[in-house]
Amino acid sequence: GAVVSQHPSWVICKSGTSVKIECRSLDFQATTMFWYRQFPKQSLMLMATSNEGSKATYEQGVEKDKFLINHASLTLSTLTVTSAHPEDSSFYICSAPIPGTLISEAFFGQGTRLTVV
Amino acid sequence: AQKITQTQPGMFVQEKEAVTLDCTYDTSDPSYGLFWYKQPSSGEMIFLIYQGSYDQQNATEGRYSLNFQKARKSANLVISASQLGDSAMYFCAMREGVGTGTASKLTFGTGTRLQVTL
Repeated sequence: GAVVSQHPSWVICKSGTSVKIECRSLDFQATTMFWYRQFPKQSLMLMATSNEGSKATYEQGVEKDKFLINHASLTLSTLTVTSAHPEDSSFYICSAPIPGTLISEAFFGQGTRLTVV
Repeated sequence: AQKITQTQPGMFVQEKEAVTLDCTYDTSDPSYGLFWYKQPSSGEMIFLIYQGSYDQQNATEGRYSLNFQKARKSANLVISASQLGDSAMYFCAMREGVGTGTASKLTFGTGTRLQVTL
């Protein structure tokens, strides 16, 4: 079964509103989670690294104030897209490394398809 | 320079035939890992196979095998006995600094769209 659960799988929101996406690790604790973004017919680009108990690390060019990341517990990280605009429409997907294995980041959440209208 | 290069935007293969999806990588880190993922139209990322830089043998997982040529820095995915359900996007990815004890990001290639035909 899935070891990383992401919710919601799709969401449509109005321009200017905020959307929260959740990423949960099942049956294991994840001190680190990764958030990726994928535009249609393109590859996955890392947005940020979510660290439990500390601030997220953002990749160059990713707006921290727009994409708020909270890693409040060892099993949950949330990505909030604030004041969403149509250009934020994309596929967002999280990944959580499984501790104690070399095959880290092998498992991803189901992804969230965000459409801003 | 691109860290992961997939030169085949699209590939066709007949059902039951084998197909090779190309992937080359660029890193100066001696410790790295190479991954292949399948992404169907639903969007989920399905882990297929992993190859560590120090692994002596090519990785195999069922119908999937990884042709790892370290000197050439290539990690091609071979799918044997293709099935209609194999039609999807396939991404090659690399993680550097494997075994350092810290989680590090995956860098993805641009992907190859595989279409299996009857």
